[in-house]
This record gives sequence, structure tokens and C-alpha cells, in this order.
Amino acid sequence: GAGVSQTPSNKVTEKGKYVELRCDPISGHTALYWYRQSLGQGPEFLIYFQGTGAADDSGLPNDRFFAVRPEGSVSTLKIQRTERGDSAVYLCASSSGTGEDNEQFFGPGTRLTVL
Amino acid sequence: QQPVQSPQAVILREGEDAVINCSSSKALYSVHWYRQKHGEAPVFLMILLKGGEQKGHDKISASFNEKKQQSSLYLTASQLSYSGTYFCGTEDVGAGSYQLTFGKGTKLSVIP
Repeated sequence: GAGVSQTPSNKVTEKGKYVELRCDPISGHTALYWYRQSLGQGPEFLIYFQGTGAADDSGLPNDRFFAVRPEGSVSTLKIQRTERGDSAVYLCASSSGTGEDNEQFFGPGTRLTVL
Repeated sequence: QQPVQSPQAVILREGEDAVINCSSSKALYSVHWYRQKHGEAPVFLMILLKGGEQKGHDKISASFNEKKQQSSLYLTASQLSYSGTYFCGTEDVGAGSYQLTFGKGTKLSVIP
């Protein structure tokens, strides 16, 4: 079956603009995660959804960042008033959300560049 | 606090073995290992749960020492395709949200 997909693959925007990044998880996966990866670093946790609700948003850096998953499938990460420091690869991952094994499968990411 | 990986980088010739270590200061529920090639998504390798276990498939295996809060990834008879950056992601006991905290990665280069 299809893996995790993310769109767009690249996004260039100007400082102060609003952007939306989309994630389509593996079919049937109830858990969805957003991570951010800067050059030379490991992925950094942002937010975790179980179904439609954000079960843990402790990784969101500030209130400019917001994410939704209204129907428990596709998720959108929204960034307001973008800053140059927001430039990074935004990764989405999904897992079955059940059982002890929490294997998270990553999408290809969206490379965000804020000029 | 993110786990510490060592070494930061390693160069191997085809057929040689390597060990990558991951150490945390927190009590761990599980350790996840991923490999990421440049410009691509991290690819899941394996997960180890608390209780001290070992896993392996093909020529890649891993161990998890729960008491020492450490995990090691073993690559034997390395192939060119093993090149990439290896990340460990840790899930803390009591975190409750399945979030993973990743190390900075170990860059592995396999040369002919």
C-alpha cells in the first residue's frame, strides 16, 4: 500500500507569510506525528495526534504553529507569520497507534524555506 | 534531553562491521532505529522495547540495555547500501504520548 505522503515537497515563502503543510498518513493509522528536522540534526518532535485530537502538542515552539486533523486522517500543519528560523524540513509520520510496538513510518517531508 | 549517539561519523570498507551506540540520561520505554539517506525520509529499521531485548534482521541487529539506558546497533559485513545517517529515537518511560526524541545521528559511509 501507499506510504505517508506530504505536500508540497518544497515551499519557499517570504518572512511574515502564512503557510500550510499537508500530511496524508498510511491508511488505517490512527496515530500521526509532526517533526521538524534542521540540517545536521535529528527530527524534533512537534505534535502527536491520536485520531482527531492533539494528544500531545508540547513540541510546538510557539503559538504561531498550529496543526489540525479534522477527520482523523489527513493533517495540516499551519504556520503563521513565518520567520527565517522556521526554515527546515517538516516530517510527518504515522503509526497504527495500538499495541506496544509504536513503529513510526515517515513521509518524504516538506522543505520549507523562509526568505 | 536528546540521547547521545557515538561515533558521530564512521567510514567503513565493504564487508567491515560497525557498532553505533545510543545513550540516554532518562529511563527508556523503547528505542527506535532509523536510517536516513541524504534528501530522503528516515526509514524504520527496528524497535526495541524495555525488558532488555535484542533484535535483528539480515545483517543488522540491535540490543537494548534498559538498566544502562543504552542501545547499540550492529552492522555486520557492511554493504554500500548501508551508507547513510543512522538515528536512534527514544521513548521515555511515562512520556505517555509515543513521541520520540532523536539523537544527532551517526553518519556511516561505506566505500568499495
